[in-house]
Amino acid sequence: LAKTTQPISMDSYEGQEVNITCSHNNIATNDYITWYQQFPSQGPRFIIQGYKTKVTNEVASLFIPADRKSSTLSLPRVSLSDTAVYYCLVIKAAGNKLTFGGGTRVLVKP
Amino acid sequence: NAGVTQTPKFQVLKTGQSMTLQCAQDMNHEYMSWYRQDPGMGLRLIHYSVGAGITDQGEVPNGYNVSRSTTEDFPLRLLSAAPSQTSVYFCASSPNRGQWTEAFFGQGTRLTVV
Repeated sequence: LAKTTQPISMDSYEGQEVNITCSHNNIATNDYITWYQQFPSQGPRFIIQGYKTKVTNEVASLFIPADRKSSTLSLPRVSLSDTAVYYCLVIKAAGNKLTFGGGTRVLVKP
Repeated sequence: NAGVTQTPKFQVLKTGQSMTLQCAQDMNHEYMSWYRQDPGMGLRLIHYSVGAGITDQGEVPNGYNVSRSTTEDFPLRLLSAAPSQTSVYFCASSPNRGQWTEAFFGQGTRLTVV
């Protein structure tokens, strides 16, 4: 499985856009990129998944360049409730096993 | 719609004791798994199951047993608890349709071994 590297922590303010970049240099052709969010004392929750280019849902956008060696999770207009740890994962198309790194702790300040 | 339910939410064990962490899902998912999360770290896979009667080891299986007699339930057994097993345990389930789908996690069991 491809190893992922993402910043340990990021601070932001309410209403700002938060962009978290994840590096996955040895991603394979049949690998997907997925992001999970985890609040304190809760299990992770799926945010978004993509293979290439851009994916957008009601929560976030995911930007994946053509070489797929990195990806950027974009959280628009964050609020205090977006304070959480965000995990970038690379998984196989037919796989269910999730390999979590350390994640990025995002702190949203008032 | 309960999703993934874990019991108990909190547990304190003495070293050497055994116990079973329960996990049940009502989404008819084939794939279930157990993770542990140590303070400030990501989750690590302990055991997983792709369907009733089938289990396999994950990254950190030592000291744990699992079984999968039904689609709904996937209990995790600690054979002889050790302080190193103090952690938060998460159970997850997902469909196994031959392509990736999102995983649904329970609320976790916080285990302390003294």
